[in-house]
Amino acid sequence: GAVVSQHPSWVICKSGTSVKIECRSLDFQATTMFWYRQFPKQSLMLMATSNEGSKATYEQGVEKDKFLINHASLTLSTLTVTSAHPEDSSFYICSATTPYSRSGNNEQFFGPGTRLTVL
Amino acid sequence: ELKVEQNPLFLSMQEEKNYTIYCNYSTTSDRLYWYRQDPGKSLESLFVLLSNGAVKQEGRLMASLDTKARLSTLHITAAVHDLSATYFCAVDLSNKLTFGGGTRVLVKP
Repeated sequence: GAVVSQHPSWVICKSGTSVKIECRSLDFQATTMFWYRQFPKQSLMLMATSNEGSKATYEQGVEKDKFLINHASLTLSTLTVTSAHPEDSSFYICSATTPYSRSGNNEQFFGPGTRLTVL
Repeated sequence: ELKVEQNPLFLSMQEEKNYTIYCNYSTTSDRLYWYRQDPGKSLESLFVLLSNGAVKQEGRLMASLDTKARLSTLHITAAVHDLSATYFCAVDLSNKLTFGGGTRVLVKP
Protein backbone atom coordinates (compact mmCIF):
# COMPACT_ATOMS: atom_id res chain seq x y z
CA GLY A 1 0.00 0.00 0.00
CA ALA A 2 0.82 3.73 0.00
CA VAL A 3 2.15 3.90 -3.54
CA VAL A 4 2.88 7.24 -5.18
CA SER A 5 3.55 7.61 -8.88
CA GLN A 6 4.97 10.45 -10.93
CA HIS A 7 4.71 11.16 -14.61
CA PRO A 8 6.80 11.61 -16.60
CA SER A 9 9.86 9.96 -15.10
CA TRP A 10 12.09 12.16 -17.20
CA VAL A 11 11.60 15.06 -19.56
CA ILE A 12 13.80 17.17 -21.77
CA CYS A 13 12.50 20.54 -22.92
CA LYS A 14 13.69 23.69 -24.59
CA SER A 15 14.36 26.85 -22.65
CA GLY A 16 11.25 29.01 -22.39
CA THR A 17 8.73 26.20 -22.57
CA SER A 18 6.54 24.92 -19.74
CA VAL A 19 6.56 21.43 -18.31
CA LYS A 20 3.88 19.73 -16.23
CA ILE A 21 4.68 16.95 -13.77
CA GLU A 22 1.94 14.79 -12.26
CA CYS A 23 1.97 13.18 -8.83
CA ARG A 24 -0.64 10.56 -7.98
CA SER A 25 -1.39 8.57 -4.89
CA LEU A 26 -2.48 5.22 -6.33
CA ASP A 27 -4.03 3.36 -3.43
CA PHE A 28 -4.89 6.01 -0.88
CA GLN A 29 -6.33 9.46 -0.61
CA ALA A 30 -3.64 11.98 0.21
CA THR A 31 -4.56 14.78 2.56
CA THR A 32 -1.43 16.69 1.66
CA MET A 33 1.15 16.49 -1.09
CA PHE A 34 4.63 17.96 -1.08
CA TRP A 35 6.99 18.92 -3.87
CA TYR A 36 10.76 18.70 -3.45
CA ARG A 37 13.68 19.60 -5.68
CA GLN A 38 17.04 17.86 -5.58
CA PHE A 39 20.09 19.12 -7.43
CA PRO A 40 22.90 16.65 -8.22
CA LYS A 41 24.74 15.42 -5.14
CA GLN A 42 22.60 17.61 -2.88
CA SER A 43 19.81 17.00 -0.44
CA LEU A 44 16.09 17.39 -0.97
CA MET A 45 14.68 20.87 -0.56
CA LEU A 46 10.98 21.38 0.07
CA MET A 47 9.45 23.65 -2.53
CA ALA A 48 5.80 23.71 -1.55
CA THR A 49 3.01 22.01 0.33
CA SER A 50 -0.38 21.52 -1.24
CA ASN A 51 -3.74 20.49 0.13
CA GLU A 52 -6.61 19.41 -2.04
CA GLY A 53 -8.82 22.30 -3.06
CA SER A 54 -6.67 25.06 -1.61
CA LYS A 55 -3.71 27.13 -2.70
CA ALA A 56 -0.25 25.72 -2.22
CA THR A 57 2.06 27.09 0.44
CA TYR A 58 5.48 27.86 -0.98
CA GLU A 59 8.76 27.82 0.89
CA GLN A 60 10.83 30.95 1.11
CA GLY A 61 12.72 31.63 -2.09
CA VAL A 62 10.46 29.52 -4.32
CA GLU A 63 8.69 31.57 -7.00
CA LYS A 64 5.03 30.67 -6.95
CA ASP A 65 4.44 32.19 -10.40
CA LYS A 66 7.16 30.01 -11.86
CA PHE A 67 6.27 26.77 -10.14
CA LEU A 68 2.51 26.41 -10.42
CA ILE A 69 0.95 23.77 -8.22
CA ASN A 70 -2.57 22.47 -8.66
CA HIS A 71 -4.07 19.95 -6.29
CA ALA A 72 -7.31 19.09 -8.00
CA SER A 73 -8.24 15.95 -6.10
CA LEU A 74 -7.20 13.81 -3.15
CA THR A 75 -5.12 11.66 -5.48
CA LEU A 76 -3.55 14.12 -7.91
CA SER A 77 -1.25 17.10 -7.67
CA THR A 78 0.55 18.74 -10.57
CA LEU A 79 3.64 20.91 -10.71
CA THR A 80 4.08 23.11 -13.77
CA VAL A 81 7.47 24.67 -14.36
CA THR A 82 6.68 27.73 -16.44
CA SER A 83 9.18 29.31 -18.84
CA ALA A 84 11.79 26.77 -17.86
CA HIS A 85 15.46 27.67 -17.97
CA PRO A 86 18.58 25.50 -17.69
CA GLU A 87 18.93 26.38 -14.00
CA ASP A 88 15.56 24.67 -13.41
CA SER A 89 17.10 21.37 -14.46
CA SER A 90 16.78 19.14 -11.43
CA PHE A 91 15.20 16.02 -9.96
CA TYR A 92 11.69 16.81 -8.78
CA ILE A 93 10.18 14.48 -6.18
CA CYS A 94 6.68 14.55 -4.79
CA SER A 95 5.35 12.94 -1.65
CA ALA A 96 1.91 12.34 -0.24
CA THR A 97 0.61 11.84 3.25
CA THR A 98 -2.31 10.07 4.79
CA PRO A 99 -3.25 9.93 8.45
CA TYR A 100 -3.90 6.23 7.98
CA SER A 101 -0.31 5.09 7.44
CA ARG A 102 1.12 2.31 9.59
CA SER A 103 2.87 4.86 11.76
CA GLY A 104 -0.35 6.87 11.99
CA ASN A 105 1.66 10.06 11.95
CA ASN A 106 1.22 11.56 8.51
CA GLU A 107 4.25 9.70 7.20
CA GLN A 108 5.20 10.92 3.74
CA PHE A 109 5.34 8.44 0.88
CA PHE A 110 7.62 9.46 -1.94
CA GLY A 111 7.13 9.22 -5.66
CA PRO A 112 9.87 7.91 -7.96
CA GLY A 113 10.89 11.38 -9.09
CA THR A 114 10.99 13.27 -12.39
CA ARG A 115 14.27 14.29 -13.93
CA LEU A 116 13.91 17.56 -15.80
CA THR A 117 16.57 18.72 -18.23
CA VAL A 118 16.14 22.14 -19.80
CA LEU A 119 18.27 22.78 -22.87
CA GLU B 1 14.67 27.73 11.51
CA LEU B 2 15.28 24.01 11.81
CA LYS B 3 18.74 22.86 10.80
CA VAL B 4 19.61 19.22 10.26
CA GLU B 5 23.23 18.19 10.00
CA GLN B 6 24.55 14.81 9.04
CA ASN B 7 28.05 13.56 9.35
CA PRO B 8 30.07 12.34 7.81
CA LEU B 9 29.12 13.49 4.33
CA PHE B 10 31.01 10.62 2.79
CA LEU B 11 31.88 7.25 4.25
CA SER B 12 34.14 4.72 2.62
CA MET B 13 33.49 1.39 4.30
CA GLN B 14 35.28 -1.89 4.34
CA GLU B 15 33.14 -4.98 4.19
CA GLU B 16 32.34 -6.67 7.49
CA LYS B 17 33.23 -3.60 9.56
CA ASN B 18 30.85 -1.43 11.58
CA TYR B 19 30.09 2.24 11.06
CA THR B 20 27.78 4.98 12.37
CA ILE B 21 26.15 7.95 10.69
CA TYR B 22 25.08 10.85 12.88
CA CYS B 23 22.16 13.21 12.47
CA ASN B 24 21.95 16.31 14.66
CA TYR B 25 19.07 18.77 14.56
CA SER B 26 18.48 22.15 16.08
CA THR B 27 14.82 22.23 17.16
CA THR B 28 12.83 19.91 19.37
CA SER B 29 11.05 17.22 17.42
CA ASP B 30 10.00 13.70 18.24
CA ARG B 31 9.68 12.39 14.71
CA LEU B 32 12.66 11.48 12.63
CA TYR B 33 13.02 9.43 9.47
CA TRP B 34 15.88 7.67 7.77
CA TYR B 35 15.88 7.12 4.03
CA ARG B 36 18.09 5.43 1.49
CA GLN B 37 18.60 6.79 -2.01
CA ASP B 38 20.27 4.89 -4.83
CA PRO B 39 21.74 6.84 -7.76
CA GLY B 40 19.03 8.20 -10.03
CA LYS B 41 16.26 6.91 -7.78
CA SER B 42 13.86 8.37 -5.28
CA LEU B 43 13.82 7.75 -1.54
CA GLU B 44 13.28 4.42 0.14
CA SER B 45 11.98 4.62 3.68
CA LEU B 46 14.18 2.80 6.19
CA PHE B 47 13.02 3.81 9.65
CA VAL B 48 10.44 5.96 11.38
CA LEU B 49 11.46 7.00 14.89
CA LEU B 50 8.63 8.47 16.90
CA SER B 51 9.79 8.89 20.47
CA ASN B 52 12.78 9.47 22.68
CA GLY B 53 14.80 6.32 23.07
CA ALA B 54 13.27 4.66 20.02
CA VAL B 55 15.47 2.00 18.49
CA LYS B 56 14.65 0.12 15.32
CA GLN B 57 16.58 -2.54 13.49
CA GLU B 58 16.28 -4.05 10.07
CA GLY B 59 18.98 -6.42 8.91
CA ARG B 60 22.38 -4.77 9.23
CA LEU B 61 20.90 -1.34 9.93
CA MET B 62 19.88 0.02 13.31
CA ALA B 63 18.57 3.50 14.03
CA SER B 64 18.09 5.25 17.34
CA LEU B 65 16.70 8.56 18.50
CA ASP B 66 17.66 10.72 21.48
CA THR B 67 15.29 13.68 21.46
CA LYS B 68 16.95 15.31 24.44
CA ALA B 69 20.31 15.40 22.68
CA ARG B 70 18.55 16.08 19.34
CA LEU B 71 20.56 13.26 17.85
CA SER B 72 19.81 10.22 15.80
CA THR B 73 22.26 7.57 14.70
CA LEU B 74 22.20 5.03 11.93
CA HIS B 75 24.47 2.12 12.72
CA ILE B 76 25.67 -0.25 10.05
CA THR B 77 26.86 -3.65 11.21
CA ALA B 78 29.20 -5.77 9.08
CA ALA B 79 28.87 -3.63 5.98
CA VAL B 80 28.26 -5.31 2.64
CA HIS B 81 28.43 -3.94 -0.88
CA ASP B 82 24.64 -3.83 -1.22
CA LEU B 83 24.53 -1.07 1.37
CA SER B 84 26.32 1.38 -0.93
CA ALA B 85 23.91 4.32 -1.33
CA THR B 86 23.23 7.78 0.04
CA TYR B 87 21.47 7.91 3.39
CA PHE B 88 19.37 10.84 4.54
CA CYS B 89 17.83 11.67 7.85
CA ALA B 90 14.82 13.97 7.93
CA VAL B 91 13.23 15.71 10.89
CA ASP B 92 9.50 16.31 11.00
CA LEU B 93 8.38 19.67 12.34
CA SER B 94 4.71 20.53 11.96
CA ASN B 95 4.33 17.81 9.31
CA LYS B 96 7.09 19.27 7.15
CA LEU B 97 10.34 17.43 6.59
CA THR B 98 13.76 19.04 6.73
CA PHE B 99 16.47 16.80 5.35
CA GLY B 100 20.05 16.43 6.37
CA GLY B 101 22.71 16.86 3.74
CA GLY B 102 23.02 13.13 3.19
CA THR B 103 25.83 10.66 3.75
CA ARG B 104 27.20 8.95 0.69
CA VAL B 105 28.27 5.44 1.59
CA LEU B 106 30.59 3.35 -0.52
CA VAL B 107 31.33 -0.16 0.64
CA LYS B 108 34.51 -1.57 -0.83
CA PRO B 109 35.44 -5.24 -0.90
